[in-house]
Amino acid sequence: QVQLQQSGPGLVKPSQTLSLTCAISGDSVSNNSAAWNWIRQSPSRGLEWLGRTYYRSKWYYDYAVSVKSRITISPDTSNNQFSLQLNSVTPEDTAVYYCAREYRAGGFYNWGQGALVTVSS
Amino acid sequence: DIQMTQFPSSLSASVGDRVTITCRASQSIRKNLNWYQQKPGKAPKLLIYAASTLQSGVPSRFSGSGSETDFTLTISFLQPEDFASYYCHQSYNTPYTFGQGTKLEIK
Repeated sequence: QVQLQQSGPGLVKPSQTLSLTCAISGDSVSNNSAAWNWIRQSPSRGLEWLGRTYYRSKWYYDYAVSVKSRITISPDTSNNQFSLQLNSVTPEDTAVYYCAREYRAGGFYNWGQGALVTVSS
Repeated sequence: DIQMTQFPSSLSASVGDRVTITCRASQSIRKNLNWYQQKPGKAPKLLIYAASTLQSGVPSRFSGSGSETDFTLTISFLQPEDFASYYCHQSYNTPYTFGQGTKLEIK
């Protein structure tokens, strides 16, 4: 049974960096059939896909255009987890952030518990 | 980006009713369409993937159909635990996109 456990601060100041980690149990971040995604949800934007990383003999990364200049998703094979960094945040980045495991046909089969991140001074 | 238009945005129904939610893609996504259920304060839960395949453990009263640009989620014989929000999601290509959601409320 795959489980994803998110961690990270719930409050970030404007212009600083939002950092979240998603620890994986029951699967490997290097699984050749899975991809590891970050998604956020806010009342104004709804569900918004931010990006993903996946391993197919090497590591690949896809990012949403809306955050491409500010985002980094990184796998950590030593700790079997992956992380999100979003730089130069503004109040518009306030949202509930989810990590999610994508598998086979592309659905998000497993989700983290979600983390409300508020951008405020 | 592929735009996903979902309707209705809200729906009132009674226990035992049959309801249908529709999702339309701005271009063909073949059958790369997934449906999720979300309850307040919880993460979305995958119900159906590849347009019509029921995820393991999901009750058979949920069904999905469609291909190319037009898709539907049908819930037959609504149960009290089905009152929630529902979202479609295209996994044809990145950037992945979601519908705006349908809130299913008790009449």
